[in-house]
Amino acid sequence: AQSVTQLDSQVPVFEEAPVELRCNYSSSVSVYLFWYVQYPNQGLQLLLKYLSGSTLVKGINGFEAEFNKSQTSFHLRKPSVHISDTAEYFCAVSRMDSSYKLIFGSGTRLLVRP
Amino acid sequence: DSGVTQTPKHLITATGQRVTLRCSPRSGDLSVYWYQQSLDQGLQFLIQYYNGEERAKGNILERFSAQQFPDLHSELNLSSLELGDSALYFCASSVLGDEPQHFGDGTRLSIL
Repeated sequence: AQSVTQLDSQVPVFEEAPVELRCNYSSSVSVYLFWYVQYPNQGLQLLLKYLSGSTLVKGINGFEAEFNKSQTSFHLRKPSVHISDTAEYFCAVSRMDSSYKLIFGSGTRLLVRP
Repeated sequence: DSGVTQTPKHLITATGQRVTLRCSPRSGDLSVYWYQQSLDQGLQFLIQYYNGEERAKGNILERFSAQQFPDLHSELNLSSLELGDSALYFCASSVLGDEPQHFGDGTRLSIL
């Protein structure tokens, strides 16, 4: 079975500061990795994905994440955050099988303060 | 706009009732997924359909059922509703299943 752990339930940060949201996963088989963002009263929007290849992936809105197989981590980073980045961020994995259902972490609320 | 349409946006009903949530996937997407988001359980996979056939099942209660129609829209039926069924229900779609899923805005179900 797969599981995803997001170590921080909430991360407060000042505007224009860098941020890292941590994600660790557990799986006995190869998986795809994703970060989704959920703004208040909205659905989930894909930020970025790791399927294969380069371990550093760049997404939308200036976010990037690095896949570390040995540490089974997929941390999300942004060098300078904006107020508009305040949202809930979810890390997710899916098995490379016929389903590709997503297993989500519990989410990290990013709170950007002026 | 993800291209995935869910109706209704909000649904308020009472315990013991039955409701139907509807999802229209993005044009060209054959795979539909249903997820439940609650404060207790977080985001959980319920069920997946691919081109009309059930492909995978997750933590879906026996009181819940789903289907995907020939036009590829999907419906999630929830019956004998309990207070604990109050949640946000998301539909997501993808072309075949091995690409990132695109999510609708969800249906917020409130059981009184």
